Amino acid sequence: GENVEQHPSTLSVQEGDSAVIKCTYSDSASNYFPWYKQELGKGPQLIIDIRSNVGEKKDQRIAVTLNKTAKHFSLHITETQPEDSAVYFCAARLPGGSAMRFGAGTRLTVKP
Amino acid sequence: EAEVAQSPRYKITEKSQAVAFWCDPISGHATLYWYRQILGQGPELLVQFQDESVVDDSQLPKDRFSAERLKGVDSTLKIQPAELGDSAMYLCASSFLAVGDEQYFGPGTRLTVT
Repeated sequence: GENVEQHPSTLSVQEGDSAVIKCTYSDSASNYFPWYKQELGKGPQLIIDIRSNVGEKKDQRIAVTLNKTAKHFSLHITETQPEDSAVYFCAARLPGGSAMRFGAGTRLTVKP
Repeated sequence: EAEVAQSPRYKITEKSQAVAFWCDPISGHATLYWYRQILGQGPELLVQFQDESVVDDSQLPKDRFSAERLKGVDSTLKIQPAELGDSAMYLCASSFLAVGDEQYFGPGTRLTVT
């Protein structure tokens, strides 16, 4: 099955700086890669996703890049704000509606 | 904005007791998922429903866990008997379709087994 690894496990940045979180996946057949933000005591919230036919996707301060050859994808947050502080999870899914595999999460702290 | 509803939000139970969680997916979403999230880890799928049918329960500990979605809308996840290792967040998610579609999560139920 699919295996997803996520780095770093914790990340601390100064407000206004950029943050990058990286994930690798094991099964080259995976075709859907979402990113979730989870705040304390809440469920994961989908913030951006990318499909395997696209190399990059951007939504305001958030962007995701996908390198299918290397089997890794990254989340980029620019101009970070204190409210970006949360745990971020990447995930990967094989075609056919199979189970989503999640990374272990990255705790992002944005210092004012 | 439509959301996935879950109850209760918190549950404390003693080991060997039975416990049940409820989920109401976003209206019109045919696919429903139950995940377990242990503290410090990502969610792991327990069971996936397409309408009222189970399509994946390979990771569900069937000796003590059961799940149903009788009318293809809301769903119940049960644990009997609960064990200390079951302490976790239980998350419900739904999607419009099973294939190639975004999953939206509810707020979760935090279970503590004492």
